[in-house]
Amino acid sequence: GAVVSQHPSWVICKSGTSVKIECRSLDFQATTMFWYRQFPKQSLMLMATSNEGSKATYEQGVEKDKFLINHASLTLSTLTVTSAHPEDSSFYICSARTRDSGLEAFFGQGTRLTVV
Amino acid sequence: DQQVKQNSPSLSVQEGRISILNCDYTNSMFDYFLWYKKYPAEGPTFLISISSIKDKNEDGRFTVFLNKSAKHLSLHIVPSQPGDSAVYFCAASTGTASKLTFGTGTRLQVTL
Repeated sequence: GAVVSQHPSWVICKSGTSVKIECRSLDFQATTMFWYRQFPKQSLMLMATSNEGSKATYEQGVEKDKFLINHASLTLSTLTVTSAHPEDSSFYICSARTRDSGLEAFFGQGTRLTVV
Repeated sequence: DQQVKQNSPSLSVQEGRISILNCDYTNSMFDYFLWYKKYPAEGPTFLISISSIKDKNEDGRFTVFLNKSAKHLSLHIVPSQPGDSAVYFCAASTGTASKLTFGTGTRLQVTL
């Protein structure tokens, strides 16, 4: 299967700072990338969908000015958590889809963000 | 509004026996369903999918059954192995190009 690499795997930052998470498709071109957030013992909640070269589409309730998503190339999408607060602490996961992969989105390994 | 529900948060099964994980959905527009397996601190891994035009799909030890009238699907793992111990998520979609809606997950523990 296709490989999606997410970096960093974990990060600890201070309140008020910004954190950037990268999601790369290593051996395929990702026409669409998705960003999810998972709270402990809860489901994966879709935050936003991004298509290469266009603005991300955010789900209802997700602050687009706080969670900046950039999908500048067919192999890279970034999520920047701006002015992070402790309540932003969570597990963030990206996934990527090609035109041919249909529903089988390929997931990164996730990033554990802790804001102190 | 949880459109995809997995009512059993956990399940324990003995090695070699059958594991049955259940998933219910409320949105009748969903027409593609997937199961993912997730280990701690890792992203989900795709297992098996089924389209609404079918009622069964099988891949090795994994079989997914879909009951559209009941809006219910299940994943059967036979025989269960210790390496199957993980959290299993079902997900649903309306069409192949739309977003996935995930259930809350079921933690499967396969004991020796």
